[in-house]
Amino acid sequence: ETGVTQSPTHLIKTRGQQVTLRCSSQSGHNTVSWYQQALGQGPQFIFQYYREEENGRGNFPPRFSGLQFPNYSSELNVNALELDDSALYLCASSNYGYTFGSGTRLTVV
Amino acid sequence: RKEVEQDPGPFNVPEGATVAFNCTYSNSASQSFFWYRQDCRKEPKLLMSVYSSGNEDGRFTAQLNRASQYISLLIRDSKLSDSATYLCVVISGGSSNTGKLIFGQGTTLQVKP
Repeated sequence: ETGVTQSPTHLIKTRGQQVTLRCSSQSGHNTVSWYQQALGQGPQFIFQYYREEENGRGNFPPRFSGLQFPNYSSELNVNALELDDSALYLCASSNYGYTFGSGTRLTVV
Repeated sequence: RKEVEQDPGPFNVPEGATVAFNCTYSNSASQSFFWYRQDCRKEPKLLMSVYSSGNEDGRFTAQLNRASQYISLLIRDSKLSDSATYLCVVISGGSSNTGKLIFGQGTTLQVKP
């Protein structure tokens, strides 16, 4: 039990669709980051939120967007899904050090 | 060039062996370094931080060479349960609480009986 919860655990979507992934982090964890991990690769930084504002973004197109809410939950939204978006999506929250959720495995067909 | 580079392996070693993983990073301004462990289809979990003076946690020893921008992890007396992917991580653009984590590709270790 890491204290960071992601939902859903698995998801299958069709190319062109939109998806929302959710993350619930521990109380007091003001920083939340999202990562994409393709098979056989290390996680890649998508973006980070601090106190509900985006404060860093990796090399991902604008169809990847996010939100952070006052209750320490956050969302990752991906529009116009592509086959290459198939990956494990990880949320990490931070207070003193980062804690990862168990991830959402997205398959785009 | 990737910001953090690791040899992906796999490293196949017998129980009891000593194995070393290496990692290089490109941003000389990086301040915080870690090794994470990731089991198959699970999330990464922090194994240990890495300090310039070197640090040890049981059978695991981590070293940082800032001049060479090189990080290492040594595992002594390998156990079957050490089989996993080991990820080298560098913090970029902030502190260990606010910077982004830059991961290497990961090195896969298989310990065999």
